[in-house]
Amino acid sequence: GAVVSQHPSRVICKSGTSVKIECRSLDFQATTMFWYRQFPKQSLMLMATSNEGSKATYEQGVEKDKFLINHASLTLSTLTVTSAHPEDSSFYICSASGLAGEGSYNEQFFGPGTRLTVL
Amino acid sequence: AQTVTQSQPEMSVQEAETVTLSCTYDTSESDYYLFWYKQPPSRQMILVIRQEAYKQQNATENRFSVNFQKAAKSFSLKISDSQLGDAAMYFCAYLSMDSNYQLIWGAGTKLIIKP
Repeated sequence: GAVVSQHPSRVICKSGTSVKIECRSLDFQATTMFWYRQFPKQSLMLMATSNEGSKATYEQGVEKDKFLINHASLTLSTLTVTSAHPEDSSFYICSASGLAGEGSYNEQFFGPGTRLTVL
Repeated sequence: AQTVTQSQPEMSVQEAETVTLSCTYDTSESDYYLFWYKQPPSRQMILVIRQEAYKQQNATENRFSVNFQKAAKSFSLKISDSQLGDAAMYFCAYLSMDSNYQLIWGAGTKLIIKP
């Protein structure tokens, strides 16, 4: 099956610093990648959708200057949390969809998530 | 806009018994997909089962099956012979074909398996 990796799995940083999270599709070309944020005991909240080679489309209420998304290739998307603050602490999940076999355009494959803690 | 509703925040079932998780959705689209995802304590999202709206036959995957009622916009998940490893959060999700294939998520149901 299609595999998506995320790195790092866990990161702790000081307030004011920037953190980059990588999302890679390991065995397929991800034409679209999604970034989610998940608070404890809650559902996934879509932050943005990115198509390879295009600017990301951000959901309402998500600051695009704070959460920078780059999808420069068909296998890599990055989320950079700029000038992180404690309220940015959360679990961030990426998913990818694309050319991974029959019907895969209609399925998202999820990374294992990144737990960000901002002190 | 599409919405997905899971009205059961938590469900518990005895090991080896059967449990049904409810999901309803609202849409004006005729073509779409519905999913059940499992999120264990590791927080890795795992696809449990998928249903294409144009298919009348209910999807099944081993011990997991759905009851898809398109007219009622209902999509429940039945887990038979519940196992301890089934304990997790279960999310119902709707795939919008018209919105860049975004998933619309329900709030989730926490499933507890009693040994």
